[in-house]
Amino acid sequence: EPEVTQTPSHQVTQMGQEVILRCVPISNHLYFYWYRQILGQKVEFLVSFYNNEISEKSEIFDDQFSVERPDGSNFTLKIRSTKLEDSAMYFCASSASYEQYFGPGTRLTVT
Amino acid sequence: GQNIDQPTEMTATEGAIVQINCTYQTSGFNGLFWYQQHAGEAPTFLSYNVLDGLEEKGRFSSFLSRSKGYSYLLLKELQMKDSASYLCAVSGNYQLIWGAGTKLIIKP
Repeated sequence: EPEVTQTPSHQVTQMGQEVILRCVPISNHLYFYWYRQILGQKVEFLVSFYNNEISEKSEIFDDQFSVERPDGSNFTLKIRSTKLEDSAMYFCASSASYEQYFGPGTRLTVT
Repeated sequence: GQNIDQPTEMTATEGAIVQINCTYQTSGFNGLFWYQQHAGEAPTFLSYNVLDGLEEKGRFSSFLSRSKGYSYLLLKELQMKDSASYLCAVSGNYQLIWGAGTKLIIKP
């Protein structure tokens, strides 16, 4: 069964550093998403992406964040200058219609 | 504002039935989702309702009333592996707006 994959599974970085989180969506899906979940808190929408552009973004997704689909398979989330409060689990998801399939997540720890 | 409410925690007995409620107030509505999330793992899709009524899928059923802004997830024949958080999420335009989740504890 096809699945969404994410790398790395765990990323530790120092405050102020740039990080890139990578996702490979399911191959025939057209809609891509990033979510984050701070430990013990609810899942929060960051951004959705369709047809090579952002379709919707939340207030969390400020100028420090960017997304790219650099080739036909990868979908990346970049955080330019990480802050302590960026420590969270980041989930990528993709969908062909209404059902969103989630990747296993990248745990980002900012020290 | 946008708000999704569900109980923080529920406890049930193995083999029993449990109903997890969700109420929502959102600016847009393109459907309501239920996801299951085990600790440290990604959410996995359980059900989707866009029209009023009951959707049944094996041991799990989900109900929606759009006029009341209300949904519930019904789990039958509970198993220990059903111990998890159950997340209610409403689809706006492209994004999912999430509730905080209901932690379900199953006791033998």
